[in-house]
Amino acid sequence: QKEVEQNSGPLSVPEGAIASLNCTYSDRGSQSFFWYRQYSGKSPELIMFIYSNGDKEDGRFTAQLNKASQYVSLLIRDSQPSDSATYLCAVNQWSSNDYKLSFGAGTTVTVRA
Amino acid sequence: NAGVTQTPKFQVLKTGQSMTLQCAQDMNHNSMYWYRQDPGMGLRLIYYSASEGTTDKGEVPNGYNVSRLNKREFSLRLESAAPSQTSVYFCASSLNEQFFGPGTRLTVL
Repeated sequence: QKEVEQNSGPLSVPEGAIASLNCTYSDRGSQSFFWYRQYSGKSPELIMFIYSNGDKEDGRFTAQLNKASQYVSLLIRDSQPSDSATYLCAVNQWSSNDYKLSFGAGTTVTVRA
Repeated sequence: NAGVTQTPKFQVLKTGQSMTLQCAQDMNHNSMYWYRQDPGMGLRLIYYSASEGTTDKGEVPNGYNVSRLNKREFSLRLESAAPSQTSVYFCASSLNEQFFGPGTRLTVL
């Protein structure tokens, strides 16, 4: 079982709709959760992080975390063509030395104008 | 404030050649990382450095070596390149969240 799994996609949504991205993780000790956006040919950029159960909102983005279910999601409201990208879920793996992240394979989102 | 920089941006090698990928950050972060990204496989950690003077293996270290030259710089070396090392390589640095460089696209023929 992979440590971080994302819904495989691709996900196509009409402009103005809500895009819903899901991520599950296997390490119950994980404490921090991140969503990165990666445009084609570019590097990942951080868009959201969440540490506590519940919802966290930042503009059109909402991250949701349920540690009991080992599940984290990202909602993109009022989707825009500029939101078309691959979204990577990342989960921390605390070690005695350092703070490492384990990444999912990503979900590609296409917003149709 | 350039963030994380990487050189070169593109590289083509022949099997068996060696090269070093350079990475530098100006955010005074302690931790630095090297990843490779292949289609459908997400980001896989090659090596990381929790602080100056320390390095540790990640998920896919075989065929690579690293050097944490100082707090700013973390280099990745391919001693004898193989076609399986064709990939996009990203360097990152962090205090908590990780910030990524622009990447190096490497092709090994």
